[in-house]
Amino acid sequence: NAGVTQTPKFQVLKTGQSMTLQCAQDMNHEYMSWYRQDPGMGLRLIHYSVGAGITDQGEVPNGYNVSRSTTEDFPLRLLSAAPSQTSVYFCASSLSRGLVYEQYFGPGTRLTVT
Amino acid sequence: GENVEQHPSTLSVQEGDSAVIKCTYSDSASNYFPWYKQELGKGPQLIIDIRSNVGEKKDQRIAVTLNKTAKHFSLHITETQPEDSAVYFCAASIVYGNEKLTFGTGTRLTIIP
Repeated sequence: NAGVTQTPKFQVLKTGQSMTLQCAQDMNHEYMSWYRQDPGMGLRLIHYSVGAGITDQGEVPNGYNVSRSTTEDFPLRLLSAAPSQTSVYFCASSLSRGLVYEQYFGPGTRLTVT
Repeated sequence: GENVEQHPSTLSVQEGDSAVIKCTYSDSASNYFPWYKQELGKGPQLIIDIRSNVGEKKDQRIAVTLNKTAKHFSLHITETQPEDSAVYFCAASIVYGNEKLTFGTGTRLTIIP
């Protein structure tokens, strides 16, 4: 298993540009999430999905869109990048089966918006 | 919503000594409390977790304790080693609810050789 993969690893955008951060998992997990990590603020939930076709907002959803057309993929879209979106983005997938609940994180995408 | 506070933000201990990181949570409905270790340039990795029906859990040198009444939980690392140096995050969520994790702000642990 590759686990959770994210592309790209690094990205520089100009203000107003759009892009999609890719996330894929091969563990057949139902739950997938996007977090952003900023210095001194831990990880904050952007959007999450409890299954294909179902998404919901997290703590900081403004400026981001998501969709979940398959179990494996959960892309995060920035429609018009702003400097405030400079951050490290982590995708995660969760196994929730009976008494087992674990969340696996990808390696992250470091985004800089100038 | 849930609020998780984590202390201290930085911690330095001599190799071989113990390290303790503490977290408090606000939502009494939370029932799942994982701890993650994040090494430089990598994503967080689950190291231990505890559910609200258990007061303590151990895994070799790592242990987590939970006090539901006081709404706080702690990570204990004994016999620390240089490879324990990392940033540690606590989190809380409601399993079988919305499955959303709320994270603490992290503790940078440095092991001094």
